[in-house]
Amino acid sequence: DIRMTQSPPSVSASAGDTVTITCRASQPISTWLAWYQQKPGKAPKLLIYGASSLQSGVPSRFSGSASGTEFTLTISSLQPEDFATYYCQQGDIFPWTFGQGTRVEIK
Amino acid sequence: EVQVVESGGGLIQPGGSLRLSCAASGFSVSTNYMTWVRQAPGKWLEWVSVLYARGNTAYADTVKGRFTISRDIFKNTVYLQMSSLRVEDTAIYYCARGVGSPPGADFWGEGTLVTVSS
Repeated sequence: DIRMTQSPPSVSASAGDTVTITCRASQPISTWLAWYQQKPGKAPKLLIYGASSLQSGVPSRFSGSASGTEFTLTISSLQPEDFATYYCQQGDIFPWTFGQGTRVEIK
Repeated sequence: EVQVVESGGGLIQPGGSLRLSCAASGFSVSTNYMTWVRQAPGKWLEWVSVLYARGNTAYADTVKGRFTISRDIFKNTVYLQMSSLRVEDTAIYYCARGVGSPPGADFWGEGTLVTVSS
C-alpha cells in the first residue's frame, strides 16, 4: 500500500500567518492527490484535487503544489475558520490512502 | 441541490452484518463515482470502498471480502453491505460523491455511526 506521511502532526499559528502542510507519498502517484479540511464533528470538506486544482467555492488563500512525491498545502493569511485538521489522500493506486492528518491550532 | 444522506448505522455484535445506505439527490449515482470513508473515534480518516460509474469497485485491504459496495440506480442509492463485523470496524461511515480526478469527493453526508460491540 502507498503510505502518505503528513507533517507536521500539528502546528500552532495565529490569524494572518501562512501555514504549510506537507504530504509525502511512499511511491510516485502523479497528481492523484486531494486535500481535505475537517472540523470536529463534521464531514471532511474538499479543498484541492489533482494536487493543485482549487475546488469550487474554496477561498483562494488555499493552494496546493506538487514536486515528485512531495505535496504541499499552503494556507495564506490564516483565518479563524481555518483552524481544523487537514488530510491528504492519494487516489492513484488501490487501496486509496489518507495521511494521518495535521491539526492547525490557534497559538 | 446536491445531497447525500447516510443511514443504517447502529450497534451490532461482532460477527454480525449491517447494510448502510447512501441516498443521493441532485445528481445520479450512475454518473459519478461514489466512495465510502470511515473514521474511528478520535482517529484519522480511512478510505473504505469506491464504486465507479461503470460499475467497477475497489476496497481497502481491511474490509476486502467482508464488505460489498453496490447501487440501485432507480432508488439513486448506494449501499455498503458489511458482514463478519469486527470491533475495529467501529467508526462513523461517510458516503461521498466523487468529482473530477480521483480521489476528490465534493459532497459528503453527515455520516452514520457503526458500533461493533458485544
